[in-house]
Amino acid sequence: KAGVTQTPRYLIKTRGQQVTLSCSPISGHRSVSWYQQTPGQGLQFLFEYFSETQRNKGNFPGRFSGRQFSNSRSEMNVSTLELGDSALYLCASSLSEGKLFFGEGSRLTVL
Amino acid sequence: GDSVTQMEGPVTLSEEAFLTINCTYTATGYPSLFWYVQYPGEGLQLLLKATKADDKGSNKGFEATYRKETTSFHLEKGSVQVSDSAVYFCALSDQAGANNLFFGTGTRLTVIP
Repeated sequence: KAGVTQTPRYLIKTRGQQVTLSCSPISGHRSVSWYQQTPGQGLQFLFEYFSETQRNKGNFPGRFSGRQFSNSRSEMNVSTLELGDSALYLCASSLSEGKLFFGEGSRLTVL
Repeated sequence: GDSVTQMEGPVTLSEEAFLTINCTYTATGYPSLFWYVQYPGEGLQLLLKATKADDKGSNKGFEATYRKETTSFHLEKGSVQVSDSAVYFCALSDQAGANNLFFGTGTRLTVIP
């Protein structure tokens, strides 16, 4: 069974640009969550989508947004990138509460 | 707000040593508690969980007991192996049915032969 797939794995952007990250969940999983991981703040919850609806949202500015498609694939977008947005962005899919299956992440560097 | 505090690493142990990684939490209500593990080159994965006070989660020889009186969920293993080398994360969820977890900062464990 294929795991959670995230693309791209690595990307470099400059301040002010925007970026879109993609996540394909495990087949049959309808919940997709996004997390930001940084050395200083650790893992922080961004948002969760379930059946194309945002179910929960973390404490991030409106520049961070996401969506989920009918096939459960999800994208997150960060607009007007700042240096502090450099991080590993992790996607996780789930069938049940708390049992998350994480992808390997998309590492974003903002110059 | 909700938070998780776990012991700083890194932790280095010899094979067959006893492992404890401390985790304490702050939360309103009755959270569910988790330990996640990240092996080298792999994504985070759930190791064990406990959903109510006094529950014991266990998996792969690891155990953790939900202690409400001390707000703790310490991870233990009686005899570690080289293959247990990984980063361990304690986490909590304060919303039933949701997947917005609060994670600790992670503890890197290295087991030497």
